[in-house]
Amino acid sequence: IAGITQAPTSQILAAGRRMTLRCTQDMRHNAMYWYRQDLGLGLRLIHYSNTAGTTGKGEVPDGYSVSRANTDDFPLTLASAVPSQTSVYFCASSDSPDNTGELFFGEGSRLTVL
Amino acid sequence: GQNIDQPTEMTATEGAIVQINCTYQTSGFNGLFWYQQHAGEAPTFLSYNVLDGLEEKGRFSSFLSRSKGYSYLLLKELQMKDSASYLCAVRDSNYQLIWGAGTKLIIKP
Repeated sequence: IAGITQAPTSQILAAGRRMTLRCTQDMRHNAMYWYRQDLGLGLRLIHYSNTAGTTGKGEVPDGYSVSRANTDDFPLTLASAVPSQTSVYFCASSDSPDNTGELFFGEGSRLTVL
Repeated sequence: GQNIDQPTEMTATEGAIVQINCTYQTSGFNGLFWYQQHAGEAPTFLSYNVLDGLEEKGRFSSFLSRSKGYSYLLLKELQMKDSASYLCAVRDSNYQLIWGAGTKLIIKP
């Protein structure tokens, strides 16, 4: 089934640990995004990539890093997790950031940092 | 700063009509989106407006007034499955999406 896949679905993590959230899409979309969603707040952009080989910082990039080695994969890494990074993380893709830009979202990764 | 405002929660009755409003103040404007998000699930695309006016898609319609910084999502013939959060998002001059916090719609029988 074509779409965007995230892993893990859920994770409990000790503070200070390193964690990578995986995201893979098979739609050959150029643009990919990582958002976090917290209660009472809108989706906030962490990092984005307009095309393979390039990445950019979003609204809340601190404590996170990304890479885009190829079109399909866009992993998000927390180098040293802190409790404020407890959130639901959504990966999304679109075929281009400059057209209608409809986003296709993964099912989300619920991360709890203790 | 950039801001998207929408009501936190609304309640409506099955079979009725509901209008969810969204007002925005952003650095530039390159389109407004509505997404639906059921509890515990991913957001899914509903509509896109870039010109003033009404866009109709089945039971759902979305309206935009750029001069007023205003949009609404109109849901007709409400069904229980329409219980969800509805997210308004505006694409700014840098083509980044600015998201509202979402409106939780509760449908009662």
